[in-house]
Amino acid sequence: GENVEQHPSTLSVQEGDSAVIKCTYSDSASNYFPWYKQELGKRPQLIIDIRSNVGEKKDQRIAVTLNKTAKHFSLHITETQPEDSAVYFCAASIVQGAQKLVFGQGTRLTINP
Amino acid sequence: NAGVTQTPKFRILKIGQSMTLQCAQDMNHNYMYWYRQDPGMGLKLIYYSVGAGITDKGEVPNGYNVSRSTTEDFPLRLELAAPSQTSVYFCASSTLAGVPYEQYFGPGTRLTVT
Repeated sequence: GENVEQHPSTLSVQEGDSAVIKCTYSDSASNYFPWYKQELGKRPQLIIDIRSNVGEKKDQRIAVTLNKTAKHFSLHITETQPEDSAVYFCAASIVQGAQKLVFGQGTRLTINP
Repeated sequence: NAGVTQTPKFRILKIGQSMTLQCAQDMNHNYMYWYRQDPGMGLKLIYYSVGAGITDKGEVPNGYNVSRSTTEDFPLRLELAAPSQTSVYFCASSTLAGVPYEQYFGPGTRLTVT
């Protein structure tokens, strides 16, 4: 089955700097890669996703890149702000109607003022 | 539109007890999911459903059962609770219509088994 590895487990950056979180996946059939943000005690919320027919997607300060050959994808947050502090999870799945998401272990991002 | 709702928010069970975690969605989504999240970890899929009457196992189904008699409801049953089932449980739903693929999560149920 699918296996998703996420690095780093913790990341601390200065406000205004960029943050990059990386994930690798094992199943070459996976075709959907979402990123979720989870604040303490809250539910995960989708912040951006990418499908396997696209190499890069951007939404304001957030971007995701996908390298299908290497089977890895990354989350880029630019101009970080204190409200970006949270745990971020990557996930991968094969979409066949339902999505059986396999999550990475999470990255705790701290933005230092 | 309440989205995905879950009850209860918190529960403490004794070893060997049973309980049902409730999940409901009012978005007419075909697909529903149950995940568990252990402290400091990512979510793991327990069971999922592609529609009323159809359910299937995810990564970690042992010790759990589900049913889906209506589009709206997807309860998760724990039989003979064990300490290893201490976790936060999230229900989610998705659709291929509208904004496809996004899974909408409920607020979670925090379960402690002692």
